[in-house]
Amino acid sequence: DTGVSQNPRHKITKRGQNVTFRCDPISEHNRLYWYRQTLGQGPEFLTYFQNEAQLEKSRLLSDRFSAERPKGSFSTLEIQRTEQGDSAMYLCASSFGQGENTGELFFGEGSRLTVL
Amino acid sequence: AQKVTQAQTEISVVEKEDVTLDCVYETRDTTYYLFWYKQPPSGELVFLIRRNSFDEQNEISGRYSWNFQKSTSSFNFTITASQVVDSAVYFCALIFSGGYNKLIFGAGTRLAVHP
Repeated sequence: DTGVSQNPRHKITKRGQNVTFRCDPISEHNRLYWYRQTLGQGPEFLTYFQNEAQLEKSRLLSDRFSAERPKGSFSTLEIQRTEQGDSAMYLCASSFGQGENTGELFFGEGSRLTVL
Repeated sequence: AQKVTQAQTEISVVEKEDVTLDCVYETRDTTYYLFWYKQPPSGELVFLIRRNSFDEQNEISGRYSWNFQKSTSSFNFTITASQVVDSAVYFCALIFSGGYNKLIFGAGTRLAVHP
């Protein structure tokens, strides 16, 4: 078990560019989450997948953000036309759960985005 | 509204002191889960404990203990005989039923343990 893996760990980009982050969850986990964390704050929920279905998106996820989880395995989070306000740590987490049963969420080390 | 409040922004203690991190939550649901996570300087959130709303028993794990009181909507975390390695940011979080299992985090408490 290699845990939740995120790539790249750090991305520096210029405003207006597109960036994509990848998350590889723990293999048997059916639930995958993306969070965003800014300095000095707790993580904020962005979106949630159960298998390949995206079941919930936060209002924080503007039209410039899109997330996918093809085949219910890895997930990508793309940010188009980046803005300086997008600078943050993007965290991925996975868990195994059925119905209301909520298991422990395992987090990756995050992908830090810096928009210049 | 669902909300988690960690009023203590930063706490500084000397090694071997006991320290309590406060967490107050708000939810209208009767079924919910409460969590504590540790975020060391490396950045990865490390799971510490999960407690469901129907289990108010306090829990002890080594130097860590948790006090869950529904009457005051609190889920406090105590570290006994703190060590330098306990230095981290600690987050309290809530999952409520119907919330698609998303964690709602507090702002975190930064704990600095000095030798």
